[in-house]
Amino acid sequence: KQEVTQIPAALSVPEGENLVLNCSFTDSAIYNLQWFRQDPGKGLTSLLLIQSSQREQTSGRLNASLDKSSGRSTLYIAASQPGDSATYLCAVDQTGANNLFFGTGTRLTVIP
Amino acid sequence: DVKVTQSSRYLVKRTGEKVFLECVQDMDHENMFWYRQDPGLGLRLIYFSYDVKMKEKGDIPEGYSVSREKKERFSLILESASTNQTSMYLCASSRIRARGQPQHFGDGTRLSIL
Repeated sequence: KQEVTQIPAALSVPEGENLVLNCSFTDSAIYNLQWFRQDPGKGLTSLLLIQSSQREQTSGRLNASLDKSSGRSTLYIAASQPGDSATYLCAVDQTGANNLFFGTGTRLTVIP
Repeated sequence: DVKVTQSSRYLVKRTGEKVFLECVQDMDHENMFWYRQDPGLGLRLIYFSYDVKMKEKGDIPEGYSVSREKKERFSLILESASTNQTSMYLCASSRIRARGQPQHFGDGTRLSIL
């Protein structure tokens, strides 16, 4: 069964710093990988989706990469801002499955 | 923009009650999903539906049922609520088997069973 891991569970950085969040998965037979943001007590907002055939996707200050063969994805956030503080979740859409497999998230705090 | 609306943000019910959680999406998506989210466990799929009146069990269907009478609406039913069903419940929708289309989530319902 697909297992998705996100390390670290929590991260604090000063404002303006560039940072990388990590996601690893055990089964490389995937269609795509999606990064979400979740604010406290709220639902999930989709940030980026990378197809299995792609290496990276960019949206503004966010860049997500995918190395399917090694089972890894990273989310790079440039010039972090206090408004980036949230929990970031990665989720894998696996071949033959109907649902997404989620990691438990990285809680990011950007200190002003 | 896709909008997934969950009927309640917060809900408090008593043990043994029958509880209904409602979800509506406005983008004519075929797929709809119910997840629950618990600290340290992440999101786990309860049920999903790929068409009206069609449903399939997810990873943790015990104690739950679902109803999809109309394409835009997907209901989660707790037949006899128990305290271990206290959780955050999230509804999502997506296009059918169109890989590359993201799942869109509602704001969640935080359910407390007393």
